This record gives sequence, structure tokens and C-alpha cells, in this order.
Amino acid sequence: QQQVKQSPQSLIVQKGGIPIINCAYENTAFDYFPWYQQFPGKGPALLIAIRPDVSEKKEGRFTISFNKSAKQFSLHIMDSQPGDSATYFCAASIRAAGNKLTFGGGTRVLVKP
Amino acid sequence: NAGVTQTPKFRVLKTGQSMTLLCAQDMNHEYMYWYRQDPGMGLRLIHYSVGEGTTAKGEVPDGYNVSRLKKQNFLLGLESAAPSQTSVYFCASSSGTANTGELFFGEGSRLTVL
Repeated sequence: QQQVKQSPQSLIVQKGGIPIINCAYENTAFDYFPWYQQFPGKGPALLIAIRPDVSEKKEGRFTISFNKSAKQFSLHIMDSQPGDSATYFCAASIRAAGNKLTFGGGTRVLVKP
Repeated sequence: NAGVTQTPKFRVLKTGQSMTLLCAQDMNHEYMYWYRQDPGMGLRLIHYSVGEGTTAKGEVPDGYNVSRLKKQNFLLGLESAAPSQTSVYFCASSSGTANTGELFFGEGSRLTVL
């Protein structure tokens, strides 16, 4: 049972383009929605996170859009750079229930120079 | 500033062999987790712990055991390895406070079962 579905599986954009990754969740009890970035051979690292009482959050070139009624959220990477090439995972958790993250399947993003 | 450290980083086992993965964190975190990462499936939770001496099952616990005898360490054991357990294993820790849900991950342990 995949509680967090992520699309697309891979994405190729030119430098300066805006990759968009989408996620959908099922469990309405989730109250924390982070995005993690992973480079080859490394562990995932927190990129940006949002709570369900906020519809949008920006940190630098990264923006999360959150639609609570549709149970969907997305990551936009503005002015993408080759250094942004990585695998991105959306996730969701219930912070009071052990804060266990449920991950989407991941999106491999390649930004061409 | 070590953060979360996993050992070993690589291991090859034969079917039926046993092994233990060690995770150590130096951030005084209450919560610790073991995930496995397989292509196209993201990271799936194996077991987790919300404090020293406690453990609980995650999404895919079968074939694994864990122990949290010390707050800073979380061990993952495979008693009889199977090829289906070939994966990259990640340990993570979290402060456990309600204000943040951030997990800090180690760099992974790549396990191959022949």
C-alpha cells in the first residue's frame, strides 16, 4: 500500500528551467510534508518542508505548493542549475506518532548545462 | 561533527549468513530509524525506536531484528540473509520534539546477498 505517490520518475531540463515534481497522499492524519534531496552515494538530506496549514513555502530557489483538499503537494525548482541534479523524494509523517516518514518513490532530476 | 555514522559501508553475504549493521548518532536524538532503499520504491521503514530500550516494527520488518541498548546506537540484524535483502540501508535519527520532523540520515550501507 503506497501511501505517498510521486511523479514523474525522472525529469530532464535545461539550465534555468523549472522542474516540477508532484506528490499525492492518502492519509489525512499526516501533518508534516518534507522534501529530501539525495546525491549519488550519499544519504537523503532535508531540502524544505511544509505543514498543512500553509499553502506555499519558499526557501531560496525551492518552492513547495500544498493543496490540502486535493491531498497533493509539489516541489518547484526555480532557475535550475546543474548542481541541482539529484534524486528528490517527497515524504509525509505524523509527528506525534514517532515521526516516521513515508516516502514517495523518488524523482531523478537531471539539469543539463 | 559526525552526525549519523553507519558501519560497515559495504558488505557481501551469502544466503543464510547473518550480520549486524551498526548506527551511531552523536546528536543526543531520542528517535532512530532503519530504512531500506530499492530502485523506484523510495525508502521503506524497517524498524524504529522512540527511545533507549524501545523498538517497533515499520512497514517491512520481516527478516530483520533491531536493538537499542544505548541511546546513541541502533543495531539492525539479519539472522539468515536472503537475496531479497540486497539493498542500500539507511539509518536516521530525529530529536523527537513536536516542533520539527526532520530526520538526519547516515550515508548508507550497501548490502549484497548472493
